[in-house]
Amino acid sequence: EVQLVESGGGLVKTGGSLRLSCAASGFTFRNAWMAWVRQAPGKGLEWEWVGRIRSKTDGGATDYAAPVKDRFTISRDDLENTLYLQMNSLKTEDTAVYYCATGALGTWGQGTLVIVSS
Amino acid sequence: DVVMTQSPLSLPVTLGQPASISCRSSQSLVYSDGNTYLSWFQQRPGQSPRRLIYKVSNRDSGVPDRFSGSASGTDFTLKISRVEAEDVGVYYCMQGTHWPYTFGQGTNLEIK
Repeated sequence: EVQLVESGGGLVKTGGSLRLSCAASGFTFRNAWMAWVRQAPGKGLEWEWVGRIRSKTDGGATDYAAPVKDRFTISRDDLENTLYLQMNSLKTEDTAVYYCATGALGTWGQGTLVIVSS
Repeated sequence: DVVMTQSPLSLPVTLGQPASISCRSSQSLVYSDGNTYLSWFQQRPGQSPRRLIYKVSNRDSGVPDRFSGSASGTDFTLKISRVEAEDVGVYYCMQGTHWPYTFGQGTNLEIK
């Protein structure tokens, strides 16, 4: 069974950092493009892509949405089948439930809540 | 960014009746490889989203065949032939052609 399990969410102050993890199982992780998307509770449950990372065989490059570019970093450990999202310089508008997903959003995790408070 | 505009935002439907959700993109979603990367997602209350349809009209594994997707230019439609109680939730379209990929605002389907 394909499964994605996020962890690492929590409450953090503005300007702080947090690292989210996503443990993958049930598929060949190293071959998969992976994504982070978020749903902000205060914005009418709107969805927003955070970014994505290609498989290493496809170059391993990352793409980020403008609101998080230069603050967030997506990485992967193909030996541990784990996806990461390093979030720095957090802002209140980053408050959201963060989901990891396979690249085309065919499979989603359960999400982890990040609250950024001033 | 490509703007995805869904309608209606609220959709009350009688059980057993059909339902239709529209999604319009602000520009063509045809990618350089000839594919159109438009997906539909269902988010039931308290759950993670689930992809129903990819590349306009391809149903994901396990998705009932009462769900179907179609397109006409930059207008996309998700149809449910006969709504069942388990279909309650919010439906989103998403374009995966132009980065950053973008979602519609969501359509809240409820039983009348």
